[in-house]
Amino acid sequence: DAGITQSPRHKVTETGTPVTLRCHQTENHRYMYWYRQDPGHGLRLIHYSYGVKDTDKGEVSDGYSVSRSKTEDFLLTLESATSSQTSVYFCAISEGTGTGAHEQYFGPGTRLTVT
Amino acid sequence: DAKTTQPTSMDCAEGRAANLPCNHSTISGNEYVYWYRQIHSQGPQYIIHGLKNNETNEMASLIITEDRKSSTLILPHATLRDTAVYYCIVKGGGTSYGKLTFGQGTILTVHP
Repeated sequence: DAGITQSPRHKVTETGTPVTLRCHQTENHRYMYWYRQDPGHGLRLIHYSYGVKDTDKGEVSDGYSVSRSKTEDFLLTLESATSSQTSVYFCAISEGTGTGAHEQYFGPGTRLTVT
Repeated sequence: DAKTTQPTSMDCAEGRAANLPCNHSTISGNEYVYWYRQIHSQGPQYIIHGLKNNETNEMASLIITEDRKSSTLILPHATLRDTAVYYCIVKGGGTSYGKLTFGQGTILTVHP
């Protein structure tokens, strides 16, 4: 299994509080991704990173920010959590070299509940 | 990325081969076929991918038709632990990074 960890694994927070989720990899992969998964919506991309300090928005980026100061860490921040951000969050990584396929490997997920 | 169509659900007896079909009739020449699965409450797990040729790894085999418009994932000896949602995804290679589009997938139930 790819070396991907996410922390915390579970979190309950109140509306309006800031929350930071961490994704850590030991594979030295260039690309890192944050997805959220909700019933009826499948997985949706929030943000991704294509290198240290290089990030871009996904399809559901409103209300989220990310940072990547080291290859191994990708942080997802909810500046002011809302109930609509209650979800399961998955981090993924991919090597992303060359012109071939770039499979993604996923972490175990963080279950976030905003009350 | 090309659209894929999969059956909603399938059953398989433990120890038998599970054959999961996927249609991707609009696939273009540089797009790969990927298979992932998600066991309840876990992160999606990469299984296998292919471009034109059939592929096999320790988890599964991938059979792609000659016209590339459909494919089949084969789990040769299904176990109860293979019960999961299986996703077929078509995506371009090269610089086409970014999101994977997970559809509804196929719910595979392996029964004793």
